[in-house]
Amino acid sequence: EAGVTQFPSHSVIEKGQTVTLRCDPISGHDNLYWYRRVMGKEIKFLLHFVKESKQDESGMPNNRFLAERTGGTYSTLKVQPAELEDSGVYFCASSQGGLRGPLHFGNGTRLTVT
Amino acid sequence: DAKTTQPPSMDCAEGRAANLPCNHSTISGNEYVYWYRQIHSQGPQYIIHGLKNNETNEMASLIITEDRKSSTLILPHATLRDTAVYYCIVSRLYYGGATNKLIFGTGTLLAVQP
Repeated sequence: EAGVTQFPSHSVIEKGQTVTLRCDPISGHDNLYWYRRVMGKEIKFLLHFVKESKQDESGMPNNRFLAERTGGTYSTLKVQPAELEDSGVYFCASSQGGLRGPLHFGNGTRLTVT
Repeated sequence: DAKTTQPPSMDCAEGRAANLPCNHSTISGNEYVYWYRQIHSQGPQYIIHGLKNNETNEMASLIITEDRKSSTLILPHATLRDTAVYYCIVSRLYYGGATNKLIFGTGTLLAVQP
């Protein structure tokens, strides 16, 4: 089975610009998560979708971040406008519904804001 | 979720068993011990999890002490490809769409030496 796919793998943008990250979860996985690691810090939870609904977005840093999951399939995370402190690696993960199974992570998108 | 303590780094000779310790003295009765690892430039990878009994899969073994206050992840025959940061995470078991908010600490950097 194909794993969690993230695109792009790297993105370099200037402060004030907009960037959209995409995540394709494992087929059939209802749960989709976004995590991120900013420079020198630990991996932190951002938000959780169950199908197309936001279950928990308590980790979203501010309203410059917008996550969507159209039709309960792929998800996008938009940063607008990007700030220097948004630089880091953004990971997407998915898991099956029902019993809380392990999370399957993608390889992340490395975002650099200059 | 309970906090975990891990040594920051460990070395292991290739072909030998790697034993990675984790302390979780405040673990609750309904909390599981999960292990993930992150190989450089990849996303976190699920390894194994357990409640109170020892567990084994194709990747590793998990030994949990009787009082559940500590555990050890064992890689029976470490290879160079096992060099990674290993995270011990304590988390409750949720059902349905409840959010699986993994709390990643700083982990243990395991360096497998040739």
